[in-house]
Amino acid sequence: KAGVTQTPRYLIKTRGQQVTLSCSPISGHRSVSWYQQTPGQGLQFLFEYFSETQRNKGNFPGRFSGRQFSNSRSEMNVSTLELGDSALYLCASSLGDGNSGNTIYFGEGSWLTVV
Amino acid sequence: AQSVTQLGSHVSVSEGALVLLRCNYSSSVPPYLFWYVQYPNQGLQLLLKYTSAATLVKGINGFEAEFKKSETSFHLTKPSAHMSDAAEYFCAVNGPGRRALTFGSGTRLQVQP
Repeated sequence: KAGVTQTPRYLIKTRGQQVTLSCSPISGHRSVSWYQQTPGQGLQFLFEYFSETQRNKGNFPGRFSGRQFSNSRSEMNVSTLELGDSALYLCASSLGDGNSGNTIYFGEGSWLTVV
Repeated sequence: AQSVTQLGSHVSVSEGALVLLRCNYSSSVPPYLFWYVQYPNQGLQLLLKYTSAATLVKGINGFEAEFKKSETSFHLTKPSAHMSDAAEYFCAVNGPGRRALTFGSGTRLQVQP
């Protein structure tokens, strides 16, 4: 069974640009969430989607957005990039049947560098 | 609100020695607790999770953790460290109705030969 797949793995963007990251969850998983990992702030929750609906959102500015498609694949977008957006962006998936105890599986992440 | 505190940002042990990584949580509702490991340039891999079935949880790679409600702790242990255990370890919590994980700041484990 394939794991959580994220693309691209590495990318470099310039300040002011926008970026789109993609995530394919484990087959059968309907919940997809995104996390940002930086040396200074650690792992922070961005948002969670279930059946194409945003269920939860972390404390990030509106420049960070996401969506989920009918096949459960998800994308996140960051507009007007700032240097501080440089981070590892991790996508995670779970069965998402409402039970918080479900195992949450993470992808390898997308390394974003803003210059 | 939920929070997680991991005591010790760096822990160094000798190969074959006991590994003990500390995690304390704060939660207003019965929590679900997780330990993840992150190897360099990789994502997070689940080691084990506690979901109220049993207080002593066994995970992969010989790790285990014990949920102690009275101490609000969920420390991770391994009887004998291996060089391949060198990585960063994260404790995380969520709870009923909230699937988003709240992570601790992480503990980097170094294993000396």
